[in-house]
Amino acid sequence: DIVMTQTPLSLSVTPGQPVSISCKSSQSLLYSDGKTYLYWYLQRPGQSPRLLIYEVSNRFSGVPDRFSGSGSGTDFTLKISRVEAEDVGIYYCMQTIQYPLTFGGGTKVEIK
Amino acid sequence: QVQLQQWGAGLLKPSETLSLTCAVYGGSFSDDYWSWIRQPPGKGLEWIGDINQSGNTNYNPSLKSRVTISVDTSKNQFSLKLTSVTAADTAVYYCAREPTNWGQGTLVTVSS
Repeated sequence: DIVMTQTPLSLSVTPGQPVSISCKSSQSLLYSDGKTYLYWYLQRPGQSPRLLIYEVSNRFSGVPDRFSGSGSGTDFTLKISRVEAEDVGIYYCMQTIQYPLTFGGGTKVEIK
Repeated sequence: QVQLQQWGAGLLKPSETLSLTCAVYGGSFSDDYWSWIRQPPGKGLEWIGDINQSGNTNYNPSLKSRVTISVDTSKNQFSLKLTSVTAADTAVYYCAREPTNWGQGTLVTVSS
């Protein structure tokens, strides 16, 4: 199985400040079609996960542009340029290049 | 906009079979894969398995011996069966259209 490792486990930020979350995979997520199958989700308290970023850096429909994704191979980063109160929750990365699909352990974001 | 609505029994006794169904609205099964994912209380996400419209399935090896995922394209529905449940199977179970849309989740509790 591909192991997805997220850091940090949690962080507490002041509204308006930036956030950076790391996700490292145990194998490259670059497929032979040239795409990299790494996704980012936000699970707000009491809700289902919601897709934020697909294929490393593409914002999903309706996702604010303060969210951005970057990285390649095995190292990936989700950034929030200016955190807002609605960004509270747990962020997960996920890979779909190989079965079984696997998730990172999650990064909990709280607002100070 | 694709929406997923899921249902099934929320309280089971050990050794019983978990059975959940997910209906897809606003779209067809087309070329997508349709997943079941679970989340134990206070823990992270675990992918259970998926299926496409042709009925081709992939399962997490950790659950493969107990899981069956099926599809009914005439009803735009897919289903999950997990046999011989124990307390360790207590979780919120989500259906999802990989990787974009998730159902609302169903809490399944296994208790004698």
